Amino acid sequence: ELQLVESGGGLFQPGGSLRLSCEASELSVSSNIMTWVRQAPGKGLEWIAVIYTGDTTYYADSVQGRFTISRNISTNSLHLQMDRLRDDDTALYFCARVFYSSSYYLDYWGQGTWVTVSS
Amino acid sequence: IQLTQSPSFLSASVGDRVTFTCRTSHVISTYLNWYQQKPGKAPKLLIYAASKLHNGVPSRFSGSGSETHFTLTIDSLQPEDFATYYCQQSYSVPVTFGQGTRLEI
Repeated sequence: ELQLVESGGGLFQPGGSLRLSCEASELSVSSNIMTWVRQAPGKGLEWIAVIYTGDTTYYADSVQGRFTISRNISTNSLHLQMDRLRDDDTALYFCARVFYSSSYYLDYWGQGTWVTVSS
Repeated sequence: IQLTQSPSFLSASVGDRVTFTCRTSHVISTYLNWYQQKPGKAPKLLIYAASKLHNGVPSRFSGSGSETHFTLTIDSLQPEDFATYYCQQSYSVPVTFGQGTRLEI
């Protein structure tokens, strides 16, 4: 069964760093477009980063220059390196697979990992 | 591209037919998807390319629209349909979501 499982969340201080991981089963992260989406408490969904199969990456303005999306082929995992954390980075972080053909949509999602940024 | 969903909140009953609207700030053809999310859970894809039903989604869900005006309709609401619904445009990066419509009993 295709599955995405996020990990690495927790409580972190402003200005700090962390790395989220998304382990994939029955799906090759290197052969798929992968993305991160977050959701602040009580708020809507915010797309934050995507990595294409050719390793091209794009970021939301809110995280540009602070977050880095990457993947590890040997562990079949997606990562999100989060630096210079801010209070407003507090959210539930989801990884997702992007289906891209004539359409573009997020069809498989992990269950999310919570990141809390607070002093 | 900004997405505006209406209404923000909708109260309905089992068996009702409901329609949500999503308007975009730019023309996006049919690059519009709909997701359902329940509290504490990951979103689930319902409709892609404005009107195409994703695998396994009940046929009571339907989508329509193009350019800047889109709708999601649920015929004969079931108890499990009470959730928050988001539209999302995939016409350009950054991908953006609407603010959501919360559907409650």
